[in-house]
Amino acid sequence: DAGVIQSPRHEVTEMGQEVTLRCKPISGHDYLFWYRQTMMRGLELLIYFNNNVPIDDSGMPEDRFSAKMPNASFSTLKIQPSEPRDSAVYFCASTVGRRNSPLHFGNGTRLTVT
Amino acid sequence: KNQVEQSPQSLIILEGKNCTLQCNYTVSPFSNLRWYKQDTGRGPVSLTIMTFSENTKSNGRYTATLDADTKQSSLHITASQLSDSASYICVVSAQAGSYQLTFGKGTKLSVIP
Repeated sequence: DAGVIQSPRHEVTEMGQEVTLRCKPISGHDYLFWYRQTMMRGLELLIYFNNNVPIDDSGMPEDRFSAKMPNASFSTLKIQPSEPRDSAVYFCASTVGRRNSPLHFGNGTRLTVT
Repeated sequence: KNQVEQSPQSLIILEGKNCTLQCNYTVSPFSNLRWYKQDTGRGPVSLTIMTFSENTKSNGRYTATLDADTKQSSLHITASQLSDSASYICVVSAQAGSYQLTFGKGTKLSVIP
């Protein structure tokens, strides 16, 4: 089991540029989550999907953020245009929809917007 | 407002010693409480998950306790090892079937030789 795979591991971009983060969940998991982690705010849920359908996107900061899950093995989080305050570590996680199943996190993408 | 508070913020202990990390929450209604370990530069990894009816759960040298009446949990690490150096995050779920988890900001543990 390769675990949740995220790419890229690091992304440095200039303000105003488009950024796309990618995630491959664990095979067989039917829930996928995008989180953002900063020192000030800790881990925050941005959006989550069940069976490729977005269920709750109330954590998405604003219209500059969008997420898609075109199939069960791939998801993207896009920021357009990026701003310096978007600098953070973005995590993808997946789980099976069983009571008390743990979340399995990827190793994150560290985004720096200059 | 649902909140999870962890203490201490950071902790330094000698290798081989025991330690206890604290978590207080105001999340309601309560479904379960999770402890995660996050190594530097990595994603969090689940250590334990406890429901309302469980008051203790172990995972190797890690033992979590839960007092649902006082809304407190602790994570006890026995005979610490250098590899225990990490952040430990307490996470509370408000209701069964919900993935709106409330995360604490973590306790950063450093184990030194």
